[in-house]
Amino acid sequence: QLQLQESGPGLVKPSETLSLTCTVSGGSISSSSYYWGWIRQPPGKGLEWIGSIYYSGSTYYNPSLKSRVTISVDTSKNQFSLKLSSVTAADTAVYYCARRESRIAAAGTPIDYWGQGTLVTVSS
Amino acid sequence: QSALTQPASVSGSPGQSITISCTGTSSDVGGYNYVSWYQQHPGKAPKLMIYDVSNRPSGVSNRFSGSKSGNTASLTISGLQAEDEADYYCSSYTSSSTLEVFGTGTKVTVL
Repeated sequence: QLQLQESGPGLVKPSETLSLTCTVSGGSISSSSYYWGWIRQPPGKGLEWIGSIYYSGSTYYNPSLKSRVTISVDTSKNQFSLKLSSVTAADTAVYYCARRESRIAAAGTPIDYWGQGTLVTVSS
Repeated sequence: QSALTQPASVSGSPGQSITISCTGTSSDVGGYNYVSWYQQHPGKAPKLMIYDVSNRPSGVSNRFSGSKSGNTASLTISGLQAEDEADYYCSSYTSSSTLEVFGTGTKVTVL
């Protein structure tokens, strides 16, 4: 059974960089059938796609966050990572890593596996 | 890119059927058959319930069904059960640069 697990600091100071890693177990991140990505959910609010990465390293970002986001993949460790720079309180959210089908695009396809989510609070 | 519009809340009694709507535009819901529905219980990750408008992943109860008409997609839960009480989100592929748009979310209450 595929499992995804987020890890990283739960508290980040304003203007600093948020860094999270997602470790995939029970399956290979190098599958050509899937994108791996990040979705976030501010407390009490809806879902927002942040970006996706293919095992080859090709990345696709939400235009609203593109200038601050970097997603990378380490196939040797079966992990992918998120960096979000210059964070503000508006970036406080539960961050989910996830797997989605790659049949049409890097987003908009069904997300069939999710991590449990990790709350990241931006505060001094 | 604006979020897809869902009713804030829908309620029903056990055994009844309810329908949640998800309204977008011809650039997303109306233009593609790539609408998904997710169920989210408090403190938990979303769970895929419907994909490609009307397909159920393996293991999802057949009490959940999806459909689409024009720019509006719908999720119907039949034989409502207490365990169905959760938040539900739709999502769609979009031709805009954002690629994906989520719905505003609907809280389902079982009376």
